[in-house]
Amino acid sequence: AAGVIQSPRHLIKEKRETATLKCYPIPRHDTVYWYQQGPGQDPQFLISFYEKMQSDKGSIPDRFSAQQFSDYHSELNMSSLELGDSALYFCASSLRLALSSYNEQFFGPGTRLTVL
Amino acid sequence: GDSVTQMEGPVTLSEEAFLTINCTYTATGYPSLFWYVQYPGEGLQLLLKATKADDKGSNKGFEATYRKETTSFHLEKGSVQVSDSAVYFCALSQEGRRALTFGSGTRLQVQP
Repeated sequence: AAGVIQSPRHLIKEKRETATLKCYPIPRHDTVYWYQQGPGQDPQFLISFYEKMQSDKGSIPDRFSAQQFSDYHSELNMSSLELGDSALYFCASSLRLALSSYNEQFFGPGTRLTVL
Repeated sequence: GDSVTQMEGPVTLSEEAFLTINCTYTATGYPSLFWYVQYPGEGLQLLLKATKADDKGSNKGFEATYRKETTSFHLEKGSVQVSDSAVYFCALSQEGRRALTFGSGTRLQVQP
């Protein structure tokens, strides 16, 4: 079965540079979530999109932005990178609520961002 | 706001021992509850889920029962294996397209 695809899997950037992370949800999933997991920490919700519109916002810094495109893939854009942005960034997708009575999210393998 | 509290780790067990990882939550309404597992260097995998009170989620020998009266969702397994060594996250999600709220994770180490 198709899973959530994230690219790149690893990314190394310098401070103050920009980065773009991509997420391709499971086919027919219309909701995408972004999470940030720092070293030894639990995943923290950043932002989510439903049908290309922002649906919920968590602890996403103002330096970050994201969007969902017409094919439902999503991109997380990160600018003015800081050392503290080094983390594992997960994307998750979920099925339309009409087909699922609960919000089961399927996670991608993550993008490991290292800021030097 | 919603929150999830897990027992601190690491939990170190011998192979074939009984496992319990405690999880309690604070939330309004009737959230769905989940256990996710993260193996070293990998992403999060859904282990099991429960969507309403008294539901029991089960998978790969792991079980957890949604106890609304005690707001708990403890993870259990009767006989752990070395391959179960991982970090386990308890999580909840409210109705609608809401984000998951995770606990802090519990690292399980199973020794041969």
